[in-house]
Amino acid sequence: GENVEQHPSTLSVQEGDSAVIKCTYSDSASNYFPWYKQELGKRPQLIIDIRSNVGEKKDQRIAVTLNKTAKHFSLHITETQPEDSAVYFCAASEANDMRFGAGTRLTVKP
Amino acid sequence: DTAVSQTPKYLVTQMGNDKSIKCEQNLGHDTMYWYKQDSKKFLKIMFSYNNKELIINETVPNRFSPKSPDKAHLNLHINSLELGDSAVYFCASSRASWGLAGLEQYFGPGTRLTVT
Repeated sequence: GENVEQHPSTLSVQEGDSAVIKCTYSDSASNYFPWYKQELGKRPQLIIDIRSNVGEKKDQRIAVTLNKTAKHFSLHITETQPEDSAVYFCAASEANDMRFGAGTRLTVKP
Repeated sequence: DTAVSQTPKYLVTQMGNDKSIKCEQNLGHDTMYWYKQDSKKFLKIMFSYNNKELIINETVPNRFSPKSPDKAHLNLHINSLELGDSAVYFCASSRASWGLAGLEQYFGPGTRLTVT
């Protein structure tokens, strides 16, 4: 089955700096790679996703890159703000089977 | 309107009891899921149902039994609760999709289960 590794487990940045979170996956059949943000006590919510036929996708301050050959994908947040502080999860899925990484706790210091 | 709802939000119970968590989605999705999130925040899939049929059943104790009366509902029954069952349980739903269509999952608010 799919195995998703996520690094780092914690990340602390200064407001305005960039943050990068990296994930690798094992199953070459995986074709959908979402990123979820979970604030304290809340549900995970999708912030951006990428499909296997695309190498990069950007939405304002958030971008995701995918390297299918190397089986890794990354989340980039630019100009971080304190409200970006949360736990971020990457995931990889094929059909309806989605596997999550262990999460990255991002702290943005004002 | 709440897209995916769960009840109860909090559940405190003693070891050995049997309890149920209910989940409903009004998005018209065909697929529903149960996840367990432990104290370390790891999100682990437990079950997945597509149109009331079980399609994913991870290695969870058979004390956990999902029941889907219709495609808008997926309830989770837990028998003989143990201390290690304490966690937050999330229900989620998505379209049933294959290939490159994309499968965003919408999560419910979670149920915090505490077993004492």
